[in-house]
Amino acid sequence: GAVVSQHPSRVICKSGTSVKIECRSLDFQATTMFWYRQFPKQSLMLMATSNEGSKATYEQGVEKDKFLINHASLTLSTLTVTSAHPEDSSFYICSALKEGALSNQPQHFGDGTRLSIL
Amino acid sequence: AQTVTQSQPEMSVQEAETVTLSCTYDTSENNYYLFWYKQPPSRQMILVIRQEAYKQQNATENRFSVNFQKAAKSFSLKISDSQLGDTAMYFCAFAPDNYGQNFVFGPGTRLSVLP
Repeated sequence: GAVVSQHPSRVICKSGTSVKIECRSLDFQATTMFWYRQFPKQSLMLMATSNEGSKATYEQGVEKDKFLINHASLTLSTLTVTSAHPEDSSFYICSALKEGALSNQPQHFGDGTRLSIL
Repeated sequence: AQTVTQSQPEMSVQEAETVTLSCTYDTSENNYYLFWYKQPPSRQMILVIRQEAYKQQNATENRFSVNFQKAAKSFSLKISDSQLGDTAMYFCAFAPDNYGQNFVFGPGTRLSVLP
């Protein structure tokens, strides 16, 4: 169990386009989901924490209006990169915590989305 | 704020040999959780092993074991009988007791297992 599906896996689009990435927990309910960004050969940087039914909590330096997060249900969170530019090109990974998870439970990761803005 | 350091950007090991990846962290918390994640070329994040700070016994998972030194704030990963499939980036991660916030990753160590 604990499968997280992230879609799409790869996106190539023109500058100025808005791109939506979906993160779904397939076999469990997730009250909390996380969105990370990973540049080549670097670690994962937490962008925001997404809580079902409430506003996302963004990390310092992450533009809320640029990276829109919606967590409308217990199994789905979306990240929309608005008016994307080449500097937004990166690998985006989501993860999810099972509802009611104890503190020692790990986050379950999606397979990531490689976003390339031309 | 918590920080996680991995001082070895790259390492290599011969197949079937043992390798140890280092991780140190800084926190003022007394209870917390530590994880090692593996990220192969496919970019999928795979949990390797986890350790609860209140447990003195080092965690083990088959060929993977940790050396957790709480006083030294050290959490190294030992991979025994290395296999080609172990080639990946390895990230050490810290999670505070109020889990769900501030899940901090180290910069990673790129491990290459050589045939």
